[in-house]
Amino acid sequence: DIQMTQSPASLSASLGETVSIECLASEDIYNNLAWYQQKPGKSPQLLIYYASSLQDGVPSRFSGSGSGTQYSLKINSLESEDAATYFCLQDSEYPRTFGGGTKLELK
Amino acid sequence: QVQLQQSGAELAKPGSSVKISCKASGYTFTSYYISWIKQTTGQGLEYIGYINTGSGGTNYNEKFKGKATLTVDKSSSTAFMQLSSLTPDDSAVYYCARDYYVMDAWGQGASVTVSS
Repeated sequence: DIQMTQSPASLSASLGETVSIECLASEDIYNNLAWYQQKPGKSPQLLIYYASSLQDGVPSRFSGSGSGTQYSLKINSLESEDAATYFCLQDSEYPRTFGGGTKLELK
Repeated sequence: QVQLQQSGAELAKPGSSVKISCKASGYTFTSYYISWIKQTTGQGLEYIGYINTGSGGTNYNEKFKGKATLTVDKSSSTAFMQLSSLTPDDSAVYYCARDYYVMDAWGQGASVTVSS
C-alpha cells in the first residue's frame, strides 16, 4: 500500500496568516491527490482534487500544488472558519490511503 | 443537492454483526460508485472498499476482507455495509462517500460501538 506522510500534525496560526500543509507519498502518485477539511463531529469536505483543482464552492484562498511524491495545501489569509483538521488522500491506486491529518488551530 | 444519508448509531456485542445503510439522493445513483471509510481516533482514516452501484461489483482493501461486505439496492438508491464478527477494534465512525475518481460527497457518518 502507498504510505502517506503528512506534516505537521498540528499547526497554530493567526487570522490573516498563510499556512502550508505537506503530504509525502511513498511512491509516485501522479497528481492523484485530494485534500479534505473536517470539523469536529462533521464529515470530511473535499477541497482540492487532482493535486491542484479547486472543488466547486471552495474559497480561492485554498490551493494545492505538487507532483510525484510531494504535495502541499496552502491556505491564504486564514479565517476563523478554517480551524479544522485537514488530511490528504491518494487515489492513485487501491487501496486508497490517507495522511495522518493536520489539526489547524487559530490563535 | 447531493446527499448521502446514513443510518444511525449502533451498539453491538462482540461477535455480532451490524449493517449500515447509505441512502443517496440528488444525483443518478448508478453513475457513481460508493466507497466506505473507517475513522478512529487512533488509526485515523482507513479505506474499506467500494461497490460499483451499477453492477454490484466490489473491491475491498485486503485488511477488511472477511470483515466488511458491501451490497447495493438500486431500487432504493441505497448502499449497505455489513460488518461481521465484531470486536472492540471495529468501534469507529463509518462513512460512505460518492466516488468517481474522487470522493466528493460523504455521508454524515455512522458510529459503531462494540461492547459487551
